[in-house]
This record gives sequence, structure tokens and C-alpha cells, in this order.
Amino acid sequence: GQSLEQPSEVTAVEGAIVQINCTYQTSGFYGLSWYQQHDGGAPTFLSYNGLDGLEETGRFSSFLSRSDSYGYLLLQELQMKDSASYFCAVTSSGGSYIPTFGRGTSLIVHP
Amino acid sequence: SQTIHQWPATLVQPVGSPLSLECTVEGTSNPNLYWYRQAAGRGLQLLFYSVGIGQISSEVPQNLSASRPQDRQFILSSKKLLLSDSGFYLCAWSASRANGYTFGSGTRLTVV
Repeated sequence: GQSLEQPSEVTAVEGAIVQINCTYQTSGFYGLSWYQQHDGGAPTFLSYNGLDGLEETGRFSSFLSRSDSYGYLLLQELQMKDSASYFCAVTSSGGSYIPTFGRGTSLIVHP
Repeated sequence: SQTIHQWPATLVQPVGSPLSLECTVEGTSNPNLYWYRQAAGRGLQLLFYSVGIGQISSEVPQNLSASRPQDRQFILSSKKLLLSDSGFYLCAWSASRANGYTFGSGTRLTVV
């Protein structure tokens, strides 16, 4: 099966940079994606990495190293509205190409 | 543009009662559709997925079932709810793996 590990909680101050790590175990790795979920809301797709390297989308960037089975989400110029849960999800042939989600990281941004 | 609708938003049901949650997608054809459940403070657990009308794959043995009577309609059902069925139910669809999943607004189910 697939498994993912990410920190349960991360705290940071407004304007700072924060990195949320995700390590995974799977067979037939295909890609790693990230989702944001605010309290009471539905998850929204942030980014996808199928190849090694950094993908940048505005203030958010996502990185993947397939050899290390590791990825991270980097959030820059943190804003209060970035307080949310962030989930990494791995897609693999072993999982029928359907994402398996991690337990999520609660990001708390302080003023 | 594509949109996904899910209802109801909130539901309180007694143990032993039936359940029917509906999800519809607009603006696309033959979407892959998914039902997830999220327990409080937890990740998303895949319950069912469908790649076409009448094609349902179950990921977790449980008290629930799913049906896809039309191309863009996905229904989650139960004949008799258990307390453990409480949770946040999310419908999702995907166009491609690289574009990620688009989730509906979710149904918060409380079984009492």
C-alpha cells in the first residue's frame, strides 16, 4: 500500500516563509500533489509534481525528489488567510492512480 | 467551466436510518468521480470511485454503497446508518492527474 508522513502542525508568523515536508512510501510512484483545506471547507488543489524539481505558483512552490521519496510545499510571504490544513497526496500505479492523502498539516499563522 | 454540486451541506440522521447523498458535475463529460470521507482532524479516506456509468469500485468494506445512474451523477447511499458513519463526505472529480481533483463543498453527516 501507500503511506505518507507529514508534520501534524506548523506555526509561523505573518510575512515569514514556511516549509511543509512530506515523505512517502509507495510502489509505482506517479506524482505528488498538494491541497489546502480551510476549517469547515473542502480541499482545494494547489500543485502537482510528477518530475523532480520545483514548481512555482505565486507565493506557493512545491518540490519533489523521487530518489528520496520526499517533497515539500513552500509558502512565502505568509498571510493570515494561509492558516489552514495542507495535505500531500501521492498517486501511484500501486494505488490505481488515485491519490492517497496524508493526514494533513495544520498551519497556524500568527500576526 | 466545470462545476461540482453536492448536497445537502449538513445532515443529522438517527442510527438505523437510510442515507442518500448526491453529487453532480456540470461542464464536462465522462468524468472520473470519487467519494471520500474525512473524520474530524484526519485525512481523506477514499470510499468509492467510478470511471463510467454503472462502474463502481469500492475501496473500503463498509456500511455504504455508491451508484452512478447517469454520466455526471454520483450517489452515496446506506440502508442503515451506524454511529461510525459520521463524518465529512466529499465528492470529487478529476480531468487529469496533473490537474488534481476538484471537490464539492461536502456534506457534514452526524449520526445520532
